[in-house]
Order: sequence, then structure tokens, then C-alpha cells
Amino acid sequence: DTGVSQDPRHKITKRGQNVTFRCDPISEHNRLYWYRQTLGQGPEFLTYFQNEAQLEKSRLLSDRFSAERPKGSFSTLEIQRTEQGDSAMYLCASSLALTGGEQYFGPGTRLTVT
Amino acid sequence: GENVEQHPSTLSVQEGDSAVIKCTYSDSASNYFPWYKQELGKRPQLIIDIRSNVGEKKDQRIAVTLNKTAKHFSLHITETQPEDSAVYFCAARDDKIIFGKGTRLHILP
Repeated sequence: DTGVSQDPRHKITKRGQNVTFRCDPISEHNRLYWYRQTLGQGPEFLTYFQNEAQLEKSRLLSDRFSAERPKGSFSTLEIQRTEQGDSAMYLCASSLALTGGEQYFGPGTRLTVT
Repeated sequence: GENVEQHPSTLSVQEGDSAVIKCTYSDSASNYFPWYKQELGKRPQLIIDIRSNVGEKKDQRIAVTLNKTAKHFSLHITETQPEDSAVYFCAARDDKIIFGKGTRLHILP
């Protein structure tokens, strides 16, 4: 086990509802990343944090998406007014802030929007 | 923007033969090139990586080569086994990781 945990593992929601996912990184890792993966595709970068600071957001991250890491430990990703196109696996990863530091992935949260 | 191209999208090889997957990247600032293996329903797992100051790296049956001038890198799996069947992703990283679209590798008995 890599040590990154995500909750919930599966979420089914109706279109228009809000959902929130949680990621707990490896404890000594100060960087935390969110990715989205749809079937048959590679993971797509969404955003990342160093400690509590959100350093970069992808253009994929619409205004309906917000991520936080208030204390520099766990992070939450919220999707407001979900759409069917939001259905995907949401992966979290963590690493040390080193050049080329390996990212360890969590098991992911699979979101299905009906 | 940053982009990683990966080929082929699907690859079938006879058990025991070698498999080669090739990737190109666009961001000159990329300095770290990991390869991930993902089995159905599971998280990506790092199998090998190479840094920009190295041209080749080998770990048992797996090797990776990097040509920074041409901005391409390759994964080589020798003596393939059934358990090598999976989707393989190349990636290029500065801070965030940019993934290729993946190669589905089938090992034929």
C-alpha cells in the first residue's frame, strides 16, 4: 500500500448535486496533486498544493471545481452542480517537494453522475 | 501547453518477446520521466523512472531510454510474461505530471 488514502472510493450522485472528496497524503509529503482519469485515457492534471498553498490549476478545472488543503495535510475536492461529464476516477497523489520526487497515487474515487 | 504523445495505443506481443513503447514530450523544462503500469480498476504504479541527466536506466526486464535533444523516451520490456499485460503510461514532469494517453499491452500465450 502506498499510504495515500481517498474517501469515498465510490460515489454515485444525481446531476446537479454537489460532491466532496477527501485525500489524505503520506504524512511527510508536502505536495498533493489531484488528477482526473476517464476510461481509456491517462490521468489529467487538475491542481496541486505545496503545503496549504494551491500553486497551479489546470484549465480543465472549471469554476464548479474547488480544492482546498487548509492545514497542509489532507485535501478536499468539491464539485458543485455535477454534470454527467464529470463522471470519472479522481486520483490524488502526494510527493516531497524535490525535483523529480516520486508521486504516490491513492486508490481513487470513482464518481458516477446519473 | 505541455503535451506527451505515446505510441502505440495498443500492442500485442508473444510471450517471451520484447515490447517497446515510445513517447515524445513538448516541455523543455521537463526533467523527470516516470513510467506507470495500471491494471484494471487499480491506481497507477510507478515501474521505472529516468531523470534528465541520464540516458538509460535498467531494472531487471525493464529499461528506459531518454533522448533529451529529440525530446523522446522509450520503455523496453524484455522476456514478456502474462503478468505484464496492463496499460502503461509514460509521463513527463516538471512540477505536475503530464501523462501520455496510455498503451494497452497484451501478452499472447
